[in-house]
Amino acid sequence: GAGVSQSPRYKVTKRGQDVALRCDPISGHVSLYWYRQALGQGPEFLTYFNYEAQQDKSGLPNDRFSAERPEGSISTLTIQRTEQRDSAMYRCASSSSGTAPDDTQYFGPGTRLTVL
Amino acid sequence: AQTVTQSQPEMSVQEAETVTLSCTYDTSENNYYLFWYKQPPSRQMILVIRQEAYKQQNATENRFSVNFQKAAKSFSLKISDSQLGDTAMYFCAFIYDAGGTSYGKLTFGQGTILTVHP
Repeated sequence: GAGVSQSPRYKVTKRGQDVALRCDPISGHVSLYWYRQALGQGPEFLTYFNYEAQQDKSGLPNDRFSAERPEGSISTLTIQRTEQRDSAMYRCASSSSGTAPDDTQYFGPGTRLTVL
Repeated sequence: AQTVTQSQPEMSVQEAETVTLSCTYDTSENNYYLFWYKQPPSRQMILVIRQEAYKQQNATENRFSVNFQKAAKSFSLKISDSQLGDTAMYFCAFIYDAGGTSYGKLTFGQGTILTVHP
């Protein structure tokens, strides 16, 4: 596609339910990143992949959060047993190369998660 | 750990005037990159400009320019001839050159809401 896409755009769920958020990066982009953004704040890094390998997951807040990118393209961020504090905008970004720190990260529109 | 601080929660400017947004950062790294991202009301994240720390020359992109002061760890954004479409939240961001494959972590500031008035 022309840009990074994410689905769903909005997700409302009840506390305790599992959710899966999907990211489809720009075609051919090697690196994929997940961030979380609270309202009125800057995005906070969660994890990132080069191809299918998860390079850094230091930003995942706890073991309820996991991410995968099994074929090096689409990625899924899963939150198990959601809690109200998980409510936020979850953003995905991709970049063309995982070997240059100044590669532009192109962001998707985000998934707004609300946990009731 | 790296931190990025934007001390101006909100700014406003009249159309066609110039405005400067401030950003300071703290790092012990020597090789790094700095960015300004724009987030309009649509909540997209759009790269505005970037600066390599090893370059002394300040980056410029059309009406947008930066004042990079490495010793002071300061990275301000100047918007000239402000336009209504510049109304957005602006984020300063930092990434360091870790070598190898660990490049992915952008660290963002808290953001500055800029409103351009007609």
